[in-house]
Amino acid sequence: NAGVTQTPKFQVLKTGQSMTLQCAQDMNHEYMSWYRQDPGMGLRLIHYSVGAGITDQGEVPNGYNVSRSTTEDFPLRLLSAAPSQTSVYFCASTKARTTNYGYTFGSGTRLTVV
Amino acid sequence: ELKVEQNPLFLSMQEGKNYTIYCNYSTTSDRLYWYRQDPGKSLESLFVLLSNGAVKQEGRLMASLDTKARLSTLHITAAVHDLSATYFCAVDRSGNTPLVFGKGTRLSVIA
Repeated sequence: NAGVTQTPKFQVLKTGQSMTLQCAQDMNHEYMSWYRQDPGMGLRLIHYSVGAGITDQGEVPNGYNVSRSTTEDFPLRLLSAAPSQTSVYFCASTKARTTNYGYTFGSGTRLTVV
Repeated sequence: ELKVEQNPLFLSMQEGKNYTIYCNYSTTSDRLYWYRQDPGKSLESLFVLLSNGAVKQEGRLMASLDTKARLSTLHITAAVHDLSATYFCAVDRSGNTPLVFGKGTRLSVIA
């Protein structure tokens, strides 16, 4: 049971480049979310999904796109990277409102935009 | 808009001492989470609190929830160095909504 798998673990991009951060889970979780973590800011929600084909914006969605074509995968696309997107990105998943069940987090992707 | 506030944001404790981290949230919620994060690592789930008056304990950590006051506490008993980490609380509203996090409490336990 792999849990939540994020790739890559590290990435350096040049300003203006695009890339996709991958997130996959094998637990049949309905809910998936993307967060970015910056020093002193906690984790801020970028986009989330409550099931295949359904996505919505979070607190800081600008510059990012998502899609959810399958239950397992929830990729995050950076359209044109900017230095302000330098951050650590976490993907999380959980079953829909299941009692006593927390969110499972991936190991994170550390992104640097130069 | 749901807001989650933690205090203190930084905490330096002596080994063997007790202390409490506070987590306040702004709108009604029936579900509160505590996570631990070590430097450079992901988030590890500590507690899920599901109802008013819920109390959970694991080792030297005890978490409680007061939904009427919109307050959760994480109490540390007889701190040891291994508890040094950043602790986050997070809340989700009823329905299909994701977690909203506090900014975290960076705990340092010193000898």
